[in-house]
Amino acid sequence: KAGVTQTPRYLIKTRGQQVTLSCSPISGHRSVSWYQQTPGQGLQFLFEYFSETQRNKGNFPGRFSGRQFSNSRSEMNVSTLELGDSALYLCASAILRDRSETQYFGPGTRLLVL
Amino acid sequence: GNSVTQMEGPVTLSEEAFLTINCTYTATGYPSLFWYVQYPGEGLQLLLKATKADDKGSNKGFEATYRKETTSFHLEKGSVQVSDSAVYFCALKTDSSASKIIFGSGTRLSIRP
Repeated sequence: KAGVTQTPRYLIKTRGQQVTLSCSPISGHRSVSWYQQTPGQGLQFLFEYFSETQRNKGNFPGRFSGRQFSNSRSEMNVSTLELGDSALYLCASAILRDRSETQYFGPGTRLLVL
Repeated sequence: GNSVTQMEGPVTLSEEAFLTINCTYTATGYPSLFWYVQYPGEGLQLLLKATKADDKGSNKGFEATYRKETTSFHLEKGSVQVSDSAVYFCALKTDSSASKIIFGSGTRLSIRP
């Protein structure tokens, strides 16, 4: 079974631009979560989608948004990029929304904002 | 609020040494506890998990026991290898935020041949 895939793997943008990242979960997984990883802040939860609905949201500004499609694939969008948005963005999928469920992570998209 | 505290790194050991990485947590209710590992340039991989008190998670020679009385989930391995060099994250999930993982700050482990 294929793992979680994320595209693109690397991205360079300039301040003020917007970016869209894509995540394809493991087949059969309906929950998709997004995390931002930076050296200073560590791993921080962005948001989670389940059955095309946002179920949970972290403490990020409204410039960060996402959506999920009927095939469970998810995209996240960051508008008006800032230098501080440079990070590794990780997507994770799970079958169910349950505290005991394992979430499987993709390889991440590394975003550099210049 | 819910949080995870793990020992500061980096930790440097010689091959075949005994490893302990400490992790303690604060959570309401009964969280599930996880250890994830991140190899250079890669995403996170689940190493092991425990979903209730006194459970022991184990995988690839690593073990951790869910200790509710001490709110701890320390990671141990009897004999480390160079290939274990990575960053290790302790994490939890609670019933009230079923898919949101709360991570510790990570511990970088380097093993010398």
